[in-house]
Amino acid sequence: GESVGLHLPTLSVQEGDNSIINCAYSNSASDYFIWYKQESGKGPQFIIDIRSNMDKRQGQRVTVLLNKTVKHLSLQIAATQPGDSAVYFCAENNYYGQNFVFGPGTRLSVLP
Amino acid sequence: SQTIHQWPATLVQPVGSPLSLECTVEGTSNPNLYWYRQAAGRGLQLLFYSVGIGQISSEVPQNLSASRPQDRQFILSSKKLLLSDSGFYLCAWTQGSFGNTEAFFGQGTRLTVV
Repeated sequence: GESVGLHLPTLSVQEGDNSIINCAYSNSASDYFIWYKQESGKGPQFIIDIRSNMDKRQGQRVTVLLNKTVKHLSLQIAATQPGDSAVYFCAENNYYGQNFVFGPGTRLSVLP
Repeated sequence: SQTIHQWPATLVQPVGSPLSLECTVEGTSNPNLYWYRQAAGRGLQLLFYSVGIGQISSEVPQNLSASRPQDRQFILSSKKLLLSDSGFYLCAWTQGSFGNTEAFFGQGTRLTVV
C-alpha cells in the first residue's frame, strides 16, 4: 500500500560526493519504476525510469539500480551538487495498474 | 507538447468553506488523471484517479470529492473544509489505458485551512 504519514528520512552528503538513495517496494508484480525529484513548493519532476526487464539504467549523472529479488530500488547521483537538494520519491506500477504507488521519500541535503 | 495546469497556486480558506481546485491537461487526449495530497514533510497520498469522463475512483474516504466533466479537466471539491484538509495538492496525468508510463505533475496548490 502507500506509505502515508511517515516523516521523511534525510540524507546529507558533501558537495561533490556521490549520493545513494534507497527504496523498497512491496508489490512483486510491479514492473515499472520511476524516480522523482521534488523541490520545495513544486510538483515532482521525472528523473529516470526503469522497467523490470532491466537491472540498471543510466542517465545524466544518475543511475537507477533494480534488484527484483529483494524488491529494492536505488538512485545514485554522481558528483552531487547544491541543486540536487530536494526530496526524492520512488514510484512503482505494473502493466495493469492504474496508479503509481509512491515511496515515503528521502530528503537529500547537499552540504557545501 | 503536453502541459498540465493547476490553480490556484496558493489558497487560504476558513473551516467550513467550500473548495474547488482545477486541473487541466493540454496536448493529449484521454489521459488518466490523478489528485494527490502531500502533508508537510511527508509522502504522496493518492486521493482520486480517473480513467475517463465521469469515471472517478476514490482511494481514501474523506470529505473531498472529484469530478471529471471533460476529458482533460479534473476538479477536486469539498462542501465543507476541515483543518485536516490543509496540505499540498498535486494533480497528475499519465498517458494510455494502463499506468505503465511516466506520471506528469502540476505545480501544486498549497491549501491552508484556518
